[in-house]
Amino acid sequence: ILNVEQSPQSLHVQEGDSTNFTCSFPSSNFYALHWYRWETAKSPEALFVMTLNGDEKKKGRISATLNTKEGYSYLYIKGSQPEDSATYLCASLRAGNNRKLIWGLGTSLAVNP
Amino acid sequence: DTAVSQTPKYLVTQMGNDKSIKCEQNLGHDTMYWYKQDSKKFLKIMFSYNNKELIINETVPNRFSPKSPDKAHLNLHINSLELGDSAVYFCASSHLGYGYTFGSGTRLTVV
Repeated sequence: ILNVEQSPQSLHVQEGDSTNFTCSFPSSNFYALHWYRWETAKSPEALFVMTLNGDEKKKGRISATLNTKEGYSYLYIKGSQPEDSATYLCASLRAGNNRKLIWGLGTSLAVNP
Repeated sequence: DTAVSQTPKYLVTQMGNDKSIKCEQNLGHDTMYWYKQDSKKFLKIMFSYNNKELIINETVPNRFSPKSPDKAHLNLHINSLELGDSAVYFCASSHLGYGYTFGSGTRLTVV
């Protein structure tokens, strides 16, 4: 694949539920995979930048894994809270592409109290 | 301290006018970007400068012209504004391919 695809497009969960989303990206010429959190009426905020196959990163209740050989990354949120409601974007950076990120369309998460 | 600041935050202007949006970063990053958020909230890259050199120049109307006087500044000038230019424009910066830091966005409305 040459595009970055995210699934699901949107997700509604109850407070306390754990959830995960998928990002598929081009595995050829892989350089880095970015995850961003974008709250409504704000600007995207970087969560993780991952470069190594098998890498796993964690920030509080949010963690991410990376498989560069098959071209996918998972984002996990443990014990979702209403303040986790946001759009989660992933973006792929390929080597020799002038640092041009290829963005997915995001997964919109709504956490109901 | 604001890391990436863009001004103005809101801009309402008439069709045909020329306007500029300014962006400054105080992070010491080597690369700056302009993105347009389309109606589906998708981020579309417009331009990127690395150390004052234009490295990404996507297919945008030539009414849009970026200017980078130094590594810390990347301004966007738009000539002859059209209704379809109405959008939110985000400035961002990064260093050595690490995570982007975005500005708060400029909501441009052309009437």
